Amino acid sequence: GIQVEQSPPDLILQEGANSTLRCNFSDSVNNLQWFHQNPWGQLINLFYIPSGTKQNGRLSATTVATERYSLLYISSSQTTDSGVYFCATDFGNEKLTFGTGTRLTIIP
Amino acid sequence: NAGVTQTPKFQVLKTGQSMTLQCAQDMNHEYMSWYRQDPGMGLRLIHYSVGAGITDQGEVPNGYNVSRSTTEDFPLRLLSAAPSQTSVYFCASTPGTTRGEQFFGPGTRLTVL
Repeated sequence: GIQVEQSPPDLILQEGANSTLRCNFSDSVNNLQWFHQNPWGQLINLFYIPSGTKQNGRLSATTVATERYSLLYISSSQTTDSGVYFCATDFGNEKLTFGTGTRLTIIP
Repeated sequence: NAGVTQTPKFQVLKTGQSMTLQCAQDMNHEYMSWYRQDPGMGLRLIHYSVGAGITDQGEVPNGYNVSRSTTEDFPLRLLSAAPSQTSVYFCASTPGTTRGEQFFGPGTRLTVL
């Protein structure tokens, strides 16, 4: 079936480190989004990136649709980056499917 | 703009009770959706709407009803609550279709005893 898989499931880093989060999807997509859920549960859209590369400050994302994966890069991590990162896609229909997330913990 | 608002923030129900989770947005977004989030899992789509008067089922629709009489409001009804419906519920809206930035509400934490 249609799947969205994220790795690693958990990541613990020292403040200032860089990280790469991966999202694999099982079918071709027209829509790929990255979200951050902070420790208080709030969900924020980080990127809408069906293909190519986008950057926003210390965060950037790359989607290679032909190879069915997307990467989220976080540079110079801060404690406020802690939380769970989700990728999601709709596989061409109107229904967004989420991955199970990567839990990132940044230690001061 | 208030964005996407949800009420209540917390709710405890007994098995068999019914209730409505409220969701409203003031951004004139066409697409609205409801998700549930269970521990260790991502969000799963319950129902969605692409505009007033139009709703459709998502991945886990059983036990839930929705309606969309206005662009602004998208309530989620639990018909007869069950312990399996204990979860955190998120409402979201998007201008246009899913292919755009999703704006999430703060969530409703529901416990069914």
